Amino acid sequence: GDSVTQMEGPVTLSEEAFLTINCTYTATGYPSLFWYVQYPGEGLQLLLKATKADDKGSNKGFEATYRKETTSFHLEKGSVQVSDSAVYFCALEASNTGKLIFGQGTTLQVKP
Amino acid sequence: DTAVSQTPKYLVTQMGNDKSIKCEQNLGHDTMYWYKQDSKKFLKIMFSYNNKELIINETVPNRFSPKSPDKAHLNLHINSLELGDSAVYFCASSPAGGLLYEQYFGPGTRLTVT
Repeated sequence: GDSVTQMEGPVTLSEEAFLTINCTYTATGYPSLFWYVQYPGEGLQLLLKATKADDKGSNKGFEATYRKETTSFHLEKGSVQVSDSAVYFCALEASNTGKLIFGQGTTLQVKP
Repeated sequence: DTAVSQTPKYLVTQMGNDKSIKCEQNLGHDTMYWYKQDSKKFLKIMFSYNNKELIINETVPNRFSPKSPDKAHLNLHINSLELGDSAVYFCASSPAGGLLYEQYFGPGTRLTVT
């Protein structure tokens, strides 16, 4: 079945460091891909999305490119801030079912 | 002004009890969801309703029964609670089914079964 795999966390960075969180997927067809963020004590919020190959989603300085050839959707940010500390979830839409399938989440801690 | 709200925020109960979690959205959305997040932060969909009708029902024990009295509310009732039910439960809503539309999540309900 469809699945999403993310890099293990926690990821600990200093402020202004470059961030990459890896995400790969397995799916039939051409799923839409998403990154959600969960700040401490809150629900998930959509960070960015891409609906077809080579699309780049971007928001709040974060970017991710839909790579069909490597079945990846890695999240990047050039300069992280303490306020970016959160859990980041990669997800896909399962074959037009309307269901989101999530990766296991990656905790990011940014230190001043 | 809360878009998707859940009550209670925390719920501690004993094995064998029956409990309910309530969810309300004031966004005018047609579709609502329940997700379960386990202790390792793994998040999985449980149910989805569109205009009070069940459209997604994952492999969830039948002790879990969602109820949608109207399209703004989706409650989750759990019978005969077990230790493994301890998790954070998130409600979400979207304008319609399918993922052309963003899902908006509630703050979660942390259920602890002792």
